[in-house]
Amino acid sequence: SQKIEQNSEALNIQEGKTATLTCNYTNYSPAYLQWYRQDPGRGPVFLLLIRENEKEKRKERLKVTFDTTLKQSLFHITASQPADSATYLCALPNSWGKLQFGAGTQVVVTP
Amino acid sequence: ETGVTQTPRHLVMGMTNKKSLKCEQHLGHNAMYWYKQSAKKPLELMFVYNFKEQTENNSVPSRFSPECPNSSHLFLHLHTLQPEDSALYLCASSQVGLAGGIPYEQYFGPGTRLTVT
Repeated sequence: SQKIEQNSEALNIQEGKTATLTCNYTNYSPAYLQWYRQDPGRGPVFLLLIRENEKEKRKERLKVTFDTTLKQSLFHITASQPADSATYLCALPNSWGKLQFGAGTQVVVTP
Repeated sequence: ETGVTQTPRHLVMGMTNKKSLKCEQHLGHNAMYWYKQSAKKPLELMFVYNFKEQTENNSVPSRFSPECPNSSHLFLHLHTLQPEDSALYLCASSQVGLAGGIPYEQYFGPGTRLTVT
């Protein structure tokens, strides 16, 4: 089965800096990968989807890259703000096509 | 956030109780999901319903029983739970194509925080 690895340590970053999160997977390369944001006590909220033939995707201050050779996706938050503080989850389909989530990385942006 | 609603938001139940979680989606989606989220662990997919038909049961213990009466409503019936079942239970919905392909994103409800005593 697919193993998804996200940094379990919280990422502490100063406001205005760029936060970079990694999502590594171990087995077959998926056709796409999704990123979600989750705030405490709430359900995840979809942010971005990137397909295997796309190298990069942007949405406002967010940027996602997908490197199928490295089996890795990077998630960037540029000009970070305290409101960006949350846990960010990557998700990709398993061999049965069902979405499988990583454990997430917590981001803490301090003023 | 009102696209997918869940009730109750919090639930405390004893090991001998029977309770039900309710989920409703107002997005016109054709697939609904139940997930379990324990502290510091990835979301665990429990059940999937496509077009009201259960298409996946990830080896979930029989003390969890799903029900999907129509494409907008999903229930999770609970009975004789164990303390290790305490977790955040999330409902989600999405649109899926008949022929498969890349699914759309999933929309989650706020979850039910379940505590089994």
